[in-house]
Amino acid sequence: QQQVKQSPQSLIVQKGGIPIINCAYENTAFDYFPWYQQFPGKGPALLIAIRPDVSEKKEGRFTISFNKSAKQFSLHIMDSQPGDSATYFCAARSPGNNRKLIWGLGTSLAVNP
Amino acid sequence: DAGVIQSPRHEVTEMGQEVTLRCKPISGHDYLFWYRQTMMRGLELLIYFNNNVPIDDSGMPEDRFSAKMPNASFSTLKIQPSEPRDSAVYFCASSLQGGGAFFGQGTRLTVV
Repeated sequence: QQQVKQSPQSLIVQKGGIPIINCAYENTAFDYFPWYQQFPGKGPALLIAIRPDVSEKKEGRFTISFNKSAKQFSLHIMDSQPGDSATYFCAARSPGNNRKLIWGLGTSLAVNP
Repeated sequence: DAGVIQSPRHEVTEMGQEVTLRCKPISGHDYLFWYRQTMMRGLELLIYFNNNVPIDDSGMPEDRFSAKMPNASFSTLKIQPSEPRDSAVYFCASSLQGGGAFFGQGTRLTVV
């Protein structure tokens, strides 16, 4: 059972384009939504995260948009660069003592020069 | 801080052998997670600890897998006996309460 559904599975954009990766969740109790970036041969790295009390968060060229009523959140990468080519994972976590992250299956992004 | 440190980076072993993966979390972090990553199943949480105590081991696939955290700066994941289907990249991650998890570089395990 996939509680966090991520799409698309893969994405190709040209340099300067704005790739958008979407995630949908089912559990309304989730209160923490991080995005991770993973390069080949490396572990996932925390990129940006949002809590449901805000609708948008920006960090540099990365923006999370959050739609609580639709139970969806998305990652936008502004002015994408070939160095952004990586696999991106969304995740979600319940409040309280349970620190278990529920992960999406990942999106492989290629930014062509 | 050096980040989460895992060893070895690569391990090739024969079916039936015991494998031990090691992890040193970021100093001061109170949560430690063991993950397995494969192309077919993505990232799977195997087990996590809080203050050295196992909290949720529901992701541990079989009794062949065991994990320990004898102190705040060290954890092991053991597979005994290993099988070819255990081949994967195993990640250790640590976090502070409420914060994001920081991952190590992973151990690529190949069981032949």
